[in-house]
Amino acid sequence: GEKVEQHESTLSVREGDSAVINCTYTDTASSYFPWYKQEAGKSLHFVIDIRSNVDRKQSQRLIVLLDKKAKRFSLHITATQPEDSAIYFCAASSSGSWQLIFGSGTQLTVMP
Amino acid sequence: DMKVTQMPRYLIKRMGENVLLECGQDMSHETMYWYRQDPGLGLQLIYISYDVDSNSEGDIPKGYRVSRKKREHFSLILDSAKTNQTSVYFCASSLEGASGNTLYFGEGSRLIVV
Repeated sequence: GEKVEQHESTLSVREGDSAVINCTYTDTASSYFPWYKQEAGKSLHFVIDIRSNVDRKQSQRLIVLLDKKAKRFSLHITATQPEDSAIYFCAASSSGSWQLIFGSGTQLTVMP
Repeated sequence: DMKVTQMPRYLIKRMGENVLLECGQDMSHETMYWYRQDPGLGLQLIYISYDVDSNSEGDIPKGYRVSRKKREHFSLILDSAKTNQTSVYFCASSLEGASGNTLYFGEGSRLIVV
């Protein structure tokens, strides 16, 4: 079955710098790649997604890149702010699938 | 109001006791999920429910069972809890399947089995 690997378990950046979190997946049939954010002690909520028919998507300070050939996708957070500090989870799902497979999470810390 | 509600939020049980975790959603979503979250492992899918009385095992179903008798309500049951089931359990729902649909998560239920 699908496996999603999240490469950075922790990441620290200075406020205002960019943060990049990388994920790889194994199933070539995967076509939907969302990202979820979990603030300390709280639940997860959706932040941005990308589908396999595009290779870049931006929503305000968040950019997602998808490289289908390498089976790799990444989340770029520009101009980081302290409130960006959280655990970020990447995930993947195949078209028509009922399941979402999550990576192990990246703890992002934005230092003032 | 687009909300997923989990009860209880915190629970301490002795090994061998039964555990009932409850989840409700107010969005009339067809699909509901139970995940557990452990440090370094991310979220692992325990069970998925496609609708009332239509449930399927996820990646780690052993030691768990589920019940969905109403669309808005999905329960996770641990018969005879074990210490390795100490974890944070998250319920989620989506309009249909996970592909292309946002999952809405509850606040989590922290279970400690001693």
